Amino acid sequence: SQTIHQWPATLVQPVGSPLSLECTVEGTSNPNLYWYRQAAGRGLQLLFYSVGIGQISSEVPQNLSASRPQDRQFILSSKKLLLSDSGFYLCAWHTGANYGYTFGSGTRLTVV
Amino acid sequence: AQSVTQLGSHVSVSEGALVLLRCNYSSSVPPYLFWYVQYPNQGLQLLLKYTTGATLVKGINGFEAEFKKSETSFHLTKPSAHMSDAAEYFCAVRSNTGNLIFGKGTKLSVKP
Repeated sequence: SQTIHQWPATLVQPVGSPLSLECTVEGTSNPNLYWYRQAAGRGLQLLFYSVGIGQISSEVPQNLSASRPQDRQFILSSKKLLLSDSGFYLCAWHTGANYGYTFGSGTRLTVV
Repeated sequence: AQSVTQLGSHVSVSEGALVLLRCNYSSSVPPYLFWYVQYPNQGLQLLLKYTTGATLVKGINGFEAEFKKSETSFHLTKPSAHMSDAAEYFCAVRSNTGNLIFGKGTKLSVKP
C-alpha cells in the first residue's frame, strides 16, 4: 500500500539553529512531492514541490530550502531558523493516477 | 489560471443541523475538484473528489458535494452535523500542471 511518513511530529528549536525535516513515501514511484506550511490564520502555503530527483521548485522566497536526494525522499532544511519559521509543516505526494494528494501527519515546529 | 474561494473562514452549526461549506472555483479547463478535512495537529485527509461523470459526489463521513458548472461551485454538505465533524475543511482545484490549488479553509464548529 501507499504510505507517507513524516517526522518528527513536534520540534522546538532555538532561533538561529538548523532544521531538517524528512518525508518519505512508500508504495509508489516517481511521485510529485510537496512541502506546505500552515501558520496561524494563513491557510496552506506551498513552499516547494519536486517532480523528480534533484528537481526542486520554490514557490515562496524564504529562509528554507528543499532537496530530493532519492525518488521517494523529500527534505526541508534551514541553516538558521527565524521566529517566523514557526508553523505546521506538511509533506504531500501525488502521482498523476489518483489526481489528488496524500498528506503526511505533519510536523509542528516552534522556534523560540 | 485556477483559483479557489471558500466563503466564510468560520462556520458554526448545532449538532444535528445541516452543514453547508461553500466553495467557488475558477478554472480555464474542465476542473478536478477536491474537499479535504483537517483535524487539529493532523495532516489533511481526502473527503471526496470530482473528476468527471456524476456531478453529485459522495465522500466519507456522510459528506457530499455537488459540482455545478453554471455556478462554478462545489459546495460541501452533510444533512446532520456530529460533534466529530468539528475540523477545518479545504477546497482545492487541480491546476494545469497537476498541482492542487487550495482555498484558505473553513473552520467548522459544532455546538451541542
